[in-house]
Amino acid sequence: QLVLTQSPSASASLGASVKLTCTLSSGHSSYAIAWLQQQPEKGPRYLMKLNSDGSHNKGDGIPDRFSGSSSGAERYLTISSLQSEDEADYYCQTWGTGIWVFGGGTKVTVL
Amino acid sequence: QLQLQESGPGLVKPSETLSLTCIVSGDSISSRSYYWGWIRQPPGKGLEWIGSMYYSGSTYYNPSLKSRVTIFVDTSNNQFSLKLSSVAAADTAVYYCARGPGAAGIFDYWGQGTLVTVSS
Repeated sequence: QLVLTQSPSASASLGASVKLTCTLSSGHSSYAIAWLQQQPEKGPRYLMKLNSDGSHNKGDGIPDRFSGSSSGAERYLTISSLQSEDEADYYCQTWGTGIWVFGGGTKVTVL
Repeated sequence: QLQLQESGPGLVKPSETLSLTCIVSGDSISSRSYYWGWIRQPPGKGLEWIGSMYYSGSTYYNPSLKSRVTIFVDTSNNQFSLKLSSVAAADTAVYYCARGPGAAGIFDYWGQGTLVTVSS
């Protein structure tokens, strides 16, 4: 079964970096994912598509502070130089034949 | 610039059918380059995929909702719609429509969402 697992929360200081993890279920380590950002009271915003080799394609207007990387079944989102507007929920999402799946989301707090 | 806008009743009674429409502007819904989807988010919870539809007419639904969901396109009005039957309180959520490019599997453009409350 295709499942994505995310830690519920993460925090870091203003100007620092934070690295979020999304883990693919067993047997699905080659899958690409997408990272999405959801600021409070807003709809999700596409950040990037992240492939298993770590290559990624960002959405329009996404700052260079957002980057992605991969290792095995884990997919990472790193946010550098944290700003107050980065305080949001971050979701990973993947897909298979006829199915789309979201992770549970990670709430990022900027201290 | 592509824009997606959900519309429909904000309140639906239990056991009735929820009906929402996503109006697409800035691109043609008939384009073979995209697929279109519905996603929902219960209050305070995460995102749940409801279903996706390709231009070819192929549709895919979340297995947990499949018996109650229909997604269909209205090309003349450049919009697509969602129907969810026999709703209950657990179907209360913000409903989003979204677009996905080609075979990429992602959703790169999203509507702002609309809250639907199921209550008598």
